[in-house]
Amino acid sequence: NAGVTQTPKFQVLKTGQSMTLQCAQDMNHNSMYWYRQDPGMGLRLIYYSASEGTTDKGEVPNGYNVSRLNKREFSLRLESAAPSQTSVYFCASSSPGGSLTYEQYFGPGTRLTVT
Amino acid sequence: AQSVSQHNHHVILSEAASLELGCNYSYGGTVNLFWYVQYPGQHLQLLLKYFSGDPLVKGIKGFEAEFIKSKFSFNLRKPSVQWSDTAEYFCAASGYSSASKIIFGSGTRLSIRP
Repeated sequence: NAGVTQTPKFQVLKTGQSMTLQCAQDMNHNSMYWYRQDPGMGLRLIYYSASEGTTDKGEVPNGYNVSRLNKREFSLRLESAAPSQTSVYFCASSSPGGSLTYEQYFGPGTRLTVT
Repeated sequence: AQSVSQHNHHVILSEAASLELGCNYSYGGTVNLFWYVQYPGQHLQLLLKYFSGDPLVKGIKGFEAEFIKSKFSFNLRKPSVQWSDTAEYFCAASGYSSASKIIFGSGTRLSIRP
């Protein structure tokens, strides 16, 4: 039981390049989330998926897209990376019941640098 | 607007000192409250949570938190810290509606001097 896994762990991009961050969970959770963590700002929600087949914007969705590929996988895409997207990205999942209110389980994070 | 405030950005303590980290929330209606910890280089882990019942909640590693509804607070405490408690601590809140998302505070960095 691996919990929440993310790939890659580290990535360096040039401005304008694109990439996809992958996330998978093996806990049969319905809800999945993408956050970014910046110093002094805590975690900010980028996008979330309350259940398979649905996605919604969070607090800071601009410049990102997501795909809920199946119940296990939730990917985050940067179409044209900008230096402002330099951050640590965390994927999380929660609850077998579909509610968004329950505790979340986090992946190890992806440290992204955009030059 | 819904928000979670952690006013202490960086706390420095010596080993064996007592700890209290402040957390205040602004959330309409009934809330669920959480404390997460992030050790250096690691991902966030749940320390403890409050959903209902006894307002004094005990978590892992000797941590506890008290929900005081009248003060909109959920402060984290530990009577005697250890060097291994060095980490960043995040308070978070969510509503009871199934569509309510968890909102995180900005975090408090705790440094313990050996």
